[in-house]
Amino acid sequence: AQSVTQLGSHVSVSEGALVLLRCNYSSSVPPYLFWYVQYPNQGLQLLLKYTTGATLVKGINGFEAEFKKSETSFHLTKPSAHMSDAAEYFCAVTLHTGNQFYFGTGTSLTVIP
Amino acid sequence: DTGVSQDPRHKITKRGQNVTFRCDPISEHNRLYWYRQTLGQGPEFLTYFQNEAQLEKSRLLSDRFSAERPKGSFSTLEIQRTEQGDSAMYLCASSLEGYRGRGYTFGSGTRLTVV
Repeated sequence: AQSVTQLGSHVSVSEGALVLLRCNYSSSVPPYLFWYVQYPNQGLQLLLKYTTGATLVKGINGFEAEFKKSETSFHLTKPSAHMSDAAEYFCAVTLHTGNQFYFGTGTSLTVIP
Repeated sequence: DTGVSQDPRHKITKRGQNVTFRCDPISEHNRLYWYRQTLGQGPEFLTYFQNEAQLEKSRLLSDRFSAERPKGSFSTLEIQRTEQGDSAMYLCASSLEGYRGRGYTFGSGTRLTVV
């Protein structure tokens, strides 16, 4: 079975500070991993994904994430937070053979001016 | 590419009433998914279609829920005899078979409130 755990349901950072949102996954086979962002009353927008190859992946809006198999982690980072980054972030896992995504419970990011 | 469209955006209904939501996927996407998202939670899988065939259903999809995709294009999700516990955001997503690694494209969702 696949699952993801997002540590920290709420994260607050100052504008310009490093953003770190944590995600650990559980999967019996190599997973595909994703980060999505959701703004209030909106659907989910894909930030970045890891499937195969390079373990450091870059996404939109300056975000990146690193797949660490030994730590079963896929943490999301951004060097400098902007006010516009305030949103809900979801980590998700699927298998290359699977059809459904398994989402974490989300992390709400607040950016303090 | 107009994205995934969902209608209505908001629906308030009285307990016991039936409701129907519509999803129009990206035109070239042959896979369509329904997810439910309750407050403070991530989306939970309900069901998915490949073309017009419903290939997988979650145990969350009780017998009060039914989904269709009659011509392999748009889909409808109907909830009969709504209950307060059905209040949630219902998200539709689409993808292209064989391109799973690209992730889904989500619609903006339909927020259901059962009073």
